[in-house]
Amino acid sequence: QKEVEQNSGPLSVPEGAIASLNCTYSDRGSQSFFWYRQYSGKSPELIMSIYSNGDKEDGRFTAQLNKASQYVSLLIRDSQPSDSATYLCAVGYSGSARQLTFGSGTQLTVLP
Amino acid sequence: DTAVSQTPKYLVTQMGNDKSIKCEQNLGHDTMYWYKQDSKKFLKIMFSYNNKELIINETVPNRFSPKSPDKAHLNLHINSLELGDSAVYFCASGRGNIQYFGAGTRLSVL
Repeated sequence: QKEVEQNSGPLSVPEGAIASLNCTYSDRGSQSFFWYRQYSGKSPELIMSIYSNGDKEDGRFTAQLNKASQYVSLLIRDSQPSDSATYLCAVGYSGSARQLTFGSGTQLTVLP
Repeated sequence: DTAVSQTPKYLVTQMGNDKSIKCEQNLGHDTMYWYKQDSKKFLKIMFSYNNKELIINETVPNRFSPKSPDKAHLNLHINSLELGDSAVYFCASGRGNIQYFGAGTRLSVL
């Protein structure tokens, strides 16, 4: 059973702070890792993907992957109220199924 | 142009009814998916089709039947609706492991 775990939160940070979201996964064969942002009442939107160990930066977002620890994180620098949303971690596996397993999401609130 | 579009956006119906949700993608992807998201935001895969062929069929009651007339369309038909079917259903399409989601269909069974 492939599992992806996230703290459900809610996580509150003040505007301008760094928000840190964490995710662990159970299957060592996992090969691709994604962060989706979901605003209330909206669909998940892909914001970051990472495939190899280390950091990947895109604007204010940094994804970090540590396959040895089976851990992936998302840092949001200079957090804005518009970043308030649920962040879903998703883990992908090889093979024809192209299946993603999602965590239950972390609700982030950025306080003005 | 909406990349992944699904209709209807809202669906309110009585227990025991049969309903369908339609999904279309114009991204040229070979793979399409149906997910169910419950009230706790947990997003769970139901089905996946690759080029009209069923490749993922998770433990879903056989009241749920996907149909893919071509690789740009994946519809979901639900028979004999139950209260527990109330959820948001998302269609997605993808290439590799990267998936793009439709706006969702909020199904309420009364």
